[in-house]
Amino acid sequence: DIQMTQSPSSLSAPVGDRVTITCRASQSISSHLTWYQHKPGKAPNLVIYDASNLQTGVPSRFSGSGSETYFTLTITSLQPEDIATYYCQQSYSHPPTFGPGTKVEI
Amino acid sequence: QVQLVESGGGVVQPGRSLRLSCAASGFAFNKFAIHWVRQAPGKGLEWVALISFDGSNRQFADSVKGRFTISRDNSKNTLFLQMNSLRADDTAVYYCARDSSSGQDVNRFDYWGQGTLVTVSS
Repeated sequence: DIQMTQSPSSLSAPVGDRVTITCRASQSISSHLTWYQHKPGKAPNLVIYDASNLQTGVPSRFSGSGSETYFTLTITSLQPEDIATYYCQQSYSHPPTFGPGTKVEI
Repeated sequence: QVQLVESGGGVVQPGRSLRLSCAASGFAFNKFAIHWVRQAPGKGLEWVALISFDGSNRQFADSVKGRFTISRDNSKNTLFLQMNSLRADDTAVYYCARDSSSGQDVNRFDYWGQGTLVTVSS
């Protein structure tokens, strides 16, 4: 199975700050990388797919980049509604695997 | 709009069985693969199982293989997860999630339900 790691495991930043989360794959996954936002008690929400494509309806302050084994999710201006845990997930090979998550706080 | 609603969770003793359901609406259910993903308390997300749009392809995580089965009734827009020989480490919120690609499995999840809690405890 492909192992996914994320850093940091948690972060705290003020409103308006630029925030970057890193995701690494244990082997090359090309651009088969998805980012999800998960708020407690809610359904996870797809934010970025294919490493850099913004899902319809997601604010443009979210962006993704990377390929092969290294990926980033950036929030250019952190908002209170962005408080959540963010997970990366690879869909390159079976089984699909998730990173351990990054908890974002204000 | 797309909706997925899980049901069937609860408290069950180790070794017993439970069946989860996922009712879908707002899209052509018979054209999309559906997955189950779970989250144990305080843990991250773990993919559990997949069934293709027509039921011809079913895959499972190693942790549940041989104990869980997945099925769907396209005439009723409903997905099922039959969980047998439950263990304490199966305790989790179980989500059903739609595969993002019509007609194939790309293992990317664009719509999720709110989840149903399964607690395995004596």
